[in-house]
Amino acid sequence: RKEVEQDPGPFNVPEGATVAFNCTYSNSASQSFFWYRQDCRKEPKLLMSVYSSGNEDGRFTAQLNRASQYISLLIRDSKLSDSATYLCVVKTDSGYALNFGKGTSLLVTP
Amino acid sequence: NAGVMQNPRHLVRRRGQEARLRCSPMKGHSHVYWYRQLPEEGLKFMVYLQKENIIDESGMPKERFSAEFPKEGPSILRIQQVVRGDSAAYFCASSPTASGKVNEQFFGPGTRLTVL
Repeated sequence: RKEVEQDPGPFNVPEGATVAFNCTYSNSASQSFFWYRQDCRKEPKLLMSVYSSGNEDGRFTAQLNRASQYISLLIRDSKLSDSATYLCVVKTDSGYALNFGKGTSLLVTP
Repeated sequence: NAGVMQNPRHLVRRRGQEARLRCSPMKGHSHVYWYRQLPEEGLKFMVYLQKENIIDESGMPKERFSAEFPKEGPSILRIQQVVRGDSAAYFCASSPTASGKVNEQFFGPGTRLTVL
């Protein structure tokens, strides 16, 4: 079983739509959780951290369910510029490595 | 304030040649991480280095791959006798402290290695 699993998509949505991505992780010792964004053939960039109580950053909302080992990202009022691959990232505090999912592809259309 | 720099951005090698990938961390960062992204795959951790020390190389293939971060100069990921399966994007990240706060890992633009 892979450490971090995501639905690869693609998700094709019109501008203004709300879209949600899910992610599951296998290591119950994981302590840190993140969503990164990767544009085509570029480096990943941190979008937001995910906290146990859930957190929001503008149009983006992240949720964590430790019992189910499940993370989600909700994007409201999608923009064309949101088109990218969204990477779910998990880390244990004892390790140095970021564990990346394969990513979920989003295409926002006019 | 320059970010993480990697060069070359694109590298083409023939099977059996050597590939050297360079990474200059952000100013003030002394911790470097290398990741590999194979086509259609997620990023995979390879190695974590501090100046002159390899801290964690649990993700490095056992043969042909090596990494260093000398006291002076960039970190180098070296792949000897490349094979087609080594074709991938290699990303370097740096952080100012050990990776306790993972959001301090800043990624470079990557080197895209193509093995013919």
